[in-house]
Amino acid sequence: EAGVVQSPRYKIIEKKQPVAFWCNPISGHNTLYWYLQNLGQGPELLIRYENEEAVDDSQLPKDRFSAERLKGVDSTLKIQPAELGDSAVYLCASSLGRGLSYEQYFGPGTRLTVT
Amino acid sequence: AQTVTQSQPEMSVQEAETVTLSCTYDTSESDYYLFWYKQPPSRQMILVIRQEAYKQQNATENRFSVNFQKAAKSFSLKISDSQLGDAAMYFCAYLADQGGKLIFGQGTELSVKP
Repeated sequence: EAGVVQSPRYKIIEKKQPVAFWCNPISGHNTLYWYLQNLGQGPELLIRYENEEAVDDSQLPKDRFSAERLKGVDSTLKIQPAELGDSAVYLCASSLGRGLSYEQYFGPGTRLTVT
Repeated sequence: AQTVTQSQPEMSVQEAETVTLSCTYDTSESDYYLFWYKQPPSRQMILVIRQEAYKQQNATENRFSVNFQKAAKSFSLKISDSQLGDAAMYFCAYLADQGGKLIFGQGTELSVKP
């Protein structure tokens, strides 16, 4: 079974440019997460989806970040405009549900460099 | 708010030896899960082991085991017979159902010397 797929794996852009990351979760996984991982730190949740609904976006900087999960499958995370401080790894994860027993499976991440 | 603390930024172990990574956490919840994740340089986060807070028995997975001390809010990972492939960043993480999100520690970078 395929794991969580993310693309691109690497992205270099100049500041003030827009950028988008794509995530395809494991088939059948209703819950999808986007995490931000700064260098040398643990991931932090940006947004969590239950099917199409964003149920926790309290940590998403809404002035420049947006996300969508159309049809409750694939998801896209967008930054516009990007800032130097956005350089980080953006991880996508998915799980069967939200309960305590549902393991989260992570994708390989997208490493963003803003110059 | 729940927090997870890993006080060892770096650890080193000789191949075939045993190493213990420390983790403490803070929560007022009684029901939760704790995890250890491994993140090799390729950056794919992989679950190593998990512990349910209501279980007194410590979880084990082959060469990996935990020492879960609920009262002390401590959750350490022991790696026995260390192998070169164990070299990675290890993250301790906490999950409470109310949030559905994992709260990670800062990570411990483990190196294995041949």
